[in-house]
Amino acid sequence: DARVTQTPRHKVTEMGQEVTMRCQPILGHNTVFWYRQTMMQGLELLAYFRNRAPLDDSGMPKDRFSAEMPDATLATLKIQPSEPRDSAVYFCASGLEGGGGFPQHFGDGTRLSIL
Amino acid sequence: KNEVEQSPQNLTAQEGEFITINCSYSVGISALHWLQQHPGGGIVSLFMLSSGKKKHGRLIATINIQEKHSSLHITASHPRDSAVYICAVRSGGNYGGSQGNLIFGKGTKLSVKP
Repeated sequence: DARVTQTPRHKVTEMGQEVTMRCQPILGHNTVFWYRQTMMQGLELLAYFRNRAPLDDSGMPKDRFSAEMPDATLATLKIQPSEPRDSAVYFCASGLEGGGGFPQHFGDGTRLSIL
Repeated sequence: KNEVEQSPQNLTAQEGEFITINCSYSVGISALHWLQQHPGGGIVSLFMLSSGKKKHGRLIATINIQEKHSSLHITASHPRDSAVYICAVRSGGNYGGSQGNLIFGKGTKLSVKP
């Protein structure tokens, strides 16, 4: 079965360090989403791409977070500089959008701990 | 007030029981998703529906667009059904300037005892 692949699965680093999370969407999918999950907030949308163009990144702290799609097979989420409050599980999901409502396929997530 | 409300927050059942999890939302939507998050953290999409009812194995999802309400039912529950079940809606218009993103409920944690 085709799957969304996220790397790394786990990341522990010190505050102030740059963190890069990567996502390989399912081949042929034209939308990519980045979500963050914390105990307090639950799942939150950070960024949303369609056909590699960013459509919505309003959920992302712009001063330290950036999301890009260098090509159709790779999405990246970067945090620089990282802070302890960024500790969370970051999920990537992809889907094929052809109208209203489409299923999203989630990756296994990157568990990030900022010390 | 959250745009997506789930109830109950926690649910404990005995194996074999019929389970219902509810989801109410306050925004216009184009679709509603039910997701399952396993204790290990992985998320699986169970259903996507915009009207009526869908069934897959022992799982049934219904939605009432007029009442802005959806239910997820599990028949003959089993300990392996223990997970967090998350309702998410896709906004139907320019809600918050974001078309296509999901708005999540806080989840219902289900524990099925043998």
